[in-house]
Amino acid sequence: KNEVEQSPQNLTAQEGEFITINCSYSVGISALHWLQQHPGGGIVSLFMLSSGKKKHGRLIATINIQEKHSSLHITASHPRDSAVYICAVRGGGADGLTFGKGTHLIIQP
Amino acid sequence: DTGVSQNPRHKITKRGQNVTFRCDPISEHNRLYWYRQTLGQGPEFLTYFQNEAQLEKSRLLSDRFSAERPKGSFSTLEIQRTEQGDSAMYLCASSLRAGGNGYTFGSGTRLTVV
Repeated sequence: KNEVEQSPQNLTAQEGEFITINCSYSVGISALHWLQQHPGGGIVSLFMLSSGKKKHGRLIATINIQEKHSSLHITASHPRDSAVYICAVRGGGADGLTFGKGTHLIIQP
Repeated sequence: DTGVSQNPRHKITKRGQNVTFRCDPISEHNRLYWYRQTLGQGPEFLTYFQNEAQLEKSRLLSDRFSAERPKGSFSTLEIQRTEQGDSAMYLCASSLRAGGNGYTFGSGTRLTVV
């Protein structure tokens, strides 16, 4: 069973700061997902990674397969980025996703 | 297609009652997943379907839980004899194939057992 750890659990930053959220997992995977969850529960898929790096707007996601580690970066953070960011992995013997507990991000104006 | 739809959005029920939730996935997606999320935790996998076949069930899915996807389109998740510990957000997601194009999540059904 894959163990997914995220850090930090909570992060409060000022508008404009560069944000980094980390995710590590214990067993080899076929894909890693970064998800965003707003109050009320809806989840939006941000990235799916199997190698390298992806960029979408102010969001950048990287993955190092050898080190079993991924990072999500937010540049020029804005209060509307405030949400829970969840890392989830697929693989390690299970077809469903295994999720981290999430990082609760608050961006203050 | 407006994405993955879940109904109801909220359900409050008395302990011991049965409840049923529905998920309508994106129409061309053949894989459908159910997850449960308790407060402050990440979602946990419950079960998934490829078309109408239920291919995997988590040990979290006790015998009070049953899921169906009779025609390979919408799915239902039933909880019998609800307990307070069943209070959670129940999330549905679908994908075109084995996560190859990513997952689309519904907004969830929040269950409160009183």
